[in-house]
Amino acid sequence: GAVVSQHPSWVICKSGTSVKIECRSLDFQATTMFWYRQFPKQSLMLMATSNEGSKATYEQGVEKDKFLINHASLTLSTLTVTSAHPEDSSFYICSASGGAPHNEQFFGPGTRLTVL
Amino acid sequence: GESVGLHLPTLSVQEGDNSIINCAYSNSASDYFIWYKQESGKGPQFIIDIRSNMDKRQGQRVTVLLNKTVKHLSLQIAATQPGDSAVYFCAETTFGNEKLTFGTGTRLTIIP
Repeated sequence: GAVVSQHPSWVICKSGTSVKIECRSLDFQATTMFWYRQFPKQSLMLMATSNEGSKATYEQGVEKDKFLINHASLTLSTLTVTSAHPEDSSFYICSASGGAPHNEQFFGPGTRLTVL
Repeated sequence: GESVGLHLPTLSVQEGDNSIINCAYSNSASDYFIWYKQESGKGPQFIIDIRSNMDKRQGQRVTVLLNKTVKHLSLQIAATQPGDSAVYFCAETTFGNEKLTFGTGTRLTIIP
């Protein structure tokens, strides 16, 4: 099956710093990548959708200037949490879709972000 | 298996028994549904899907039932094993659409 990786798997940073998370599709070209956030004991909440070479589409309530998304190639998308604060601590999960027929999403293993 | 607010419903099942996890979906226009399994500290893993033109679909040890009238989805796991312990999420979308909407999830614990 299709494999999606994320790096790093976990990160601890100080408040006010920026953190970059990478999402890679290892064996297929991902026309679309998605970024989700998951707080403890809660469901996945879609943050944004990104298509290669174009600007990401953010969900309502997600600050695009705080969560910078770059989808520079068909195998790589990055999420940068800028000026991170403790409330940004969460599990960030990406998924990648290769397109038709039903745009199945393949999920990465997630990145645990802890902001001190 | 229904959920309200931020609490994750839990279900405990004896190993070897069958389990049923329920999900109420929100959008009557949704026509494609997926069940995912998420183990602790990992991303969701696809289990089984179903389109709205079906009311039942079977996989290996798993069966998904869809009741469009009441917007209800269930996942049946037969002969549960310790490795089935995880959080299970349903997700809904429209076929060909890219965005998924996840349900609240249910934590399944298999008791040895």
